[in-house]
Amino acid sequence: DTEVTQTPKHLVMGMTNKKSLKCEQHMGHRAMYWYKQKAKKPPELMFVYSYEKLSINESVPSRFSPECPNSSLLNLHLHALQPEDSALYLCASSQEGLAGVGEQYFGPGTRLTVT
Amino acid sequence: GQNIDQPTEMTATEGAIVQINCTYQTSGFNGLFWYQQHAGEAPTFLSYNVLDGLEEKGRFSSFLSRSKGYSYLLLKELQMKDSASYLCAVRRNTGGFKTIFGAGTRLFVKA
Repeated sequence: DTEVTQTPKHLVMGMTNKKSLKCEQHMGHRAMYWYKQKAKKPPELMFVYSYEKLSINESVPSRFSPECPNSSLLNLHLHALQPEDSALYLCASSQEGLAGVGEQYFGPGTRLTVT
Repeated sequence: GQNIDQPTEMTATEGAIVQINCTYQTSGFNGLFWYQQHAGEAPTFLSYNVLDGLEEKGRFSSFLSRSKGYSYLLLKELQMKDSASYLCAVRRNTGGFKTIFGAGTRLFVKA
């Protein structure tokens, strides 16, 4: 199983709403990532979890709150977002350390629209 | 900091060969990846280089020169389905592994 799943596929939320994005992988990967991608732009790294601990936070605003409940799951909690946060949010996972090349497997993404 | 440069767009003909270049400047270099991304879809892994030289994988090859901060992706026997964005991504070891993506090269394959 080389699949990363993400739910929901699409999300429309108001600026006062609270919502969560979910990501799951069953490849035994111990590194998981959140990226934000705007149209015709590359993915921008937001957070990295390594062995369920947050290892990198790319100075992301606190209205985005990541959570890694276990080695297979990654959540992104959203609160008080702005319209400019509308984007495709991609989750990815990879093997950690010297276990392999470390290529990332991406989920299909959640298309988020903030109104 | 880091900087990754690749051409914005390229056009090539079906059946031909195309080379997509990528130059980078970074500290803590720990490998270079190429990903393919079709419009509206997630990126998919194509190749990885960490040592100098050429890695070949079917119709796709990737080359790396660490001293020059340079890589290229070579696509042979182009097919229409190869029309996509090709992302050069550099992994850095900064106390944790971080992968930074270039802006991508949009490749158009014409008949």
